[in-house]
Amino acid sequence: QLQLQESGPGLVKPSETLSLTCTVSGGSISSSSYYWGWIRQPPGKGLEWIGSIYYSGSTYYNPSLKSRVTISVDTSKNQFSLKLSSVTAADTAVYYCARRYPDAFDIWGQGTMVTVSS
Amino acid sequence: QSVLTQPPSVSAAPGQKVTISCSGSSSNIGNNYVSWYQQLPGTAPKLLIYDNNKRPSGIPDRFSGSKSGTSATLGITGLQTGDEADYYCGTWDSSLSAGEVFGTGTKVTVL
Repeated sequence: QLQLQESGPGLVKPSETLSLTCTVSGGSISSSSYYWGWIRQPPGKGLEWIGSIYYSGSTYYNPSLKSRVTISVDTSKNQFSLKLSSVTAADTAVYYCARRYPDAFDIWGQGTMVTVSS
Repeated sequence: QSVLTQPPSVSAAPGQKVTISCSGSSSNIGNNYVSWYQQLPGTAPKLLIYDNNKRPSGIPDRFSGSKSGTSATLGITGLQTGDEADYYCGTWDSSLSAGEVFGTGTKVTVL
């Protein structure tokens, strides 16, 4: 069945760029039925949507993060990626990737913890 | 700051029923589908309910969802110790700050 797996550095320095990749296995990222999203969860806190992308590259972002976020897709690798620039300690969180279908995030990755610290 | 408000916690004895409310506005719950997620300790969220009241394959019918106006409710009957988790509602917000939004989260404790 479809699985998602996040990967990337677990430690990022303040003011630098956080980069994560989500690899989709067991299915194609290019299906016209789905959007693909990033959601994060600071320690002990709730869920925050970061942004989503369609296989064509169409994106939409959380307005509160939009100036710092870029989400891209690589259909040849069946992956989509997140870049969050100018990070601070407030960006420390577990980052999840997920599939959105039809009006909910129905499949989630296991999540990856990213700590922002010097 | 989430635009969807949930009670911080609810509790009940095994076998009992709990309900979790999710309060929003016309720009989100009032005009969009609501979903519900269960997050067991240390794990990723799992979809329980989509399109207000539909259950994905494999989700027991002990879990139910409903929506009325600008509020939604998740019900859990026959409460089990394995249901002890955090629960979040989610929907799309169509306001000027458009995007996906989640509720503040509710901790369910089985007494």
